[in-house]
Amino acid sequence: EIVLTQSPATLSLSPGERATLSCRASQSVSTYLAWYQQKPGQAPRLLIYDASNRATGIPARFSGSGSGTDFTLTISSLEPEDFAVYYCQQRSNWPPITFGQGTRLEIK
Amino acid sequence: EVQLVESGGGLVQPGGSLRLSCAASGFMFSSFEMNWVRQAPGKGLEWVSYISGSGSSTSYADSVKGRFTISRDNAKNSLYLQMNSLRAEDTAIYYCARELRAGAAADSFGYWGQGTLVTVSS
Repeated sequence: EIVLTQSPATLSLSPGERATLSCRASQSVSTYLAWYQQKPGQAPRLLIYDASNRATGIPARFSGSGSGTDFTLTISSLEPEDFAVYYCQQRSNWPPITFGQGTRLEIK
Repeated sequence: EVQLVESGGGLVQPGGSLRLSCAASGFMFSSFEMNWVRQAPGKGLEWVSYISGSGSSTSYADSVKGRFTISRDNAKNSLYLQMNSLRAEDTAIYYCARELRAGAAADSFGYWGQGTLVTVSS
């Protein structure tokens, strides 16, 4: 099973700042990695697929990078609505499909 | 517009059974692989099960293998999860999720339902 480790567990930033979230895989997942955003009481929403492609309707301030075992989600300038929990997910070697444990992005 | 609406959740005793449904609309249901993903209260996301567009191929997380069965009825645009021998640790919100692109290998979950809560407790 491929384990995804996200860091940091919690990130405290202010609106307008840049956020950098990390996801590390226990073995290579090529670029079969996605990022999701989840707000309280809501279903997850796909942000980035195939490591670096923004999903439909996702603002350009969200970007993804990486391949192999190290991936990054960057939010260039935080908006108030961006404070949420973010998950990475791999589907390179499955079953099982696995998710990271999440990074909580909170307002400082 | 793609819509996924889950139903069938509720309170069930340990050892009991429950059948979840997911009604799909706004796309050609039979062309897309589907999954169930769950989230225990205050916890992260856990993939539960997968089914191919035709229904001929399925897969399960080890935590539910042998107890849960995924199925679909393409004529009714519906996805199901039959859950037997339920345990307290199965308590979670259960989401159905559709692949982003039809026919894409190792695809992401592009669309999610709002979820249905399953509580296993005596």
